[in-house]
Amino acid sequence: DAKTTQPNSMESNEEEPVHLPCNHSTISGTDYIHWYRQLPSQGPEYVIHGLTSNVNNRMASLAIAEDRKSSTLILHRATLRDAAVYYCILRLGGSQGNLIFGKGTKLSVKP
Amino acid sequence: EAQVTQNPRYLITVTGKKLTVTCSQNMNHEYMSWYRQDPGLGLRQIYYSMNVEVTDKGDVPEGYKVSRKEKRNFPLILESPSPNQTSLYFCASSLKNRARQETQYFGPGTRLLVL
Repeated sequence: DAKTTQPNSMESNEEEPVHLPCNHSTISGTDYIHWYRQLPSQGPEYVIHGLTSNVNNRMASLAIAEDRKSSTLILHRATLRDAAVYYCILRLGGSQGNLIFGKGTKLSVKP
Repeated sequence: EAQVTQNPRYLITVTGKKLTVTCSQNMNHEYMSWYRQDPGLGLRQIYYSMNVEVTDKGDVPEGYKVSRKEKRNFPLILESPSPNQTSLYFCASSLKNRARQETQYFGPGTRLLVL
């Protein structure tokens, strides 16, 4: 799977929006962009994914740059429960299913 | 409730004593996988299974075995555990995992300490 680059850590205040960036300059036209997060002492959980268009779900929004070389996960109103490590992952077509987790971004949320 | 379960959640053992960590999913998923998570190294895949009786090595398979006799279960076997297998282990599953938009569901993790 192609490589992604994320900041090591970010901080946010509770109830404010959070924009988590991800660079994936080597992305190919058929790679999907997936985001997972890992809350403390839990397994990773799926957040959102997209290909070209921006995506919204109940957890977050995903904004994908027009050239697809970067994307941003948007949490509209951060809560204390959103404190986690967020992973940006590219999924190739026909892959064996290996999710290549990088180091992710550790998000801290201050009350 | 759709879920992936792992047992035990915590295990302390000694070098060389065979152990099995069980993983079960109730979503009729074809694909199952084991990962280990270590500080500074992130999550790495150990083994995966595309379907019953079909298993293959991931990135770090040494010292581990798996089996897939039934669709719902995918146990991880450590025949002779060593201290470098002390880690946090996660089982995951997804429907087929050939589609790029498929998501994986992870279990709660098993923390293993090998003395």
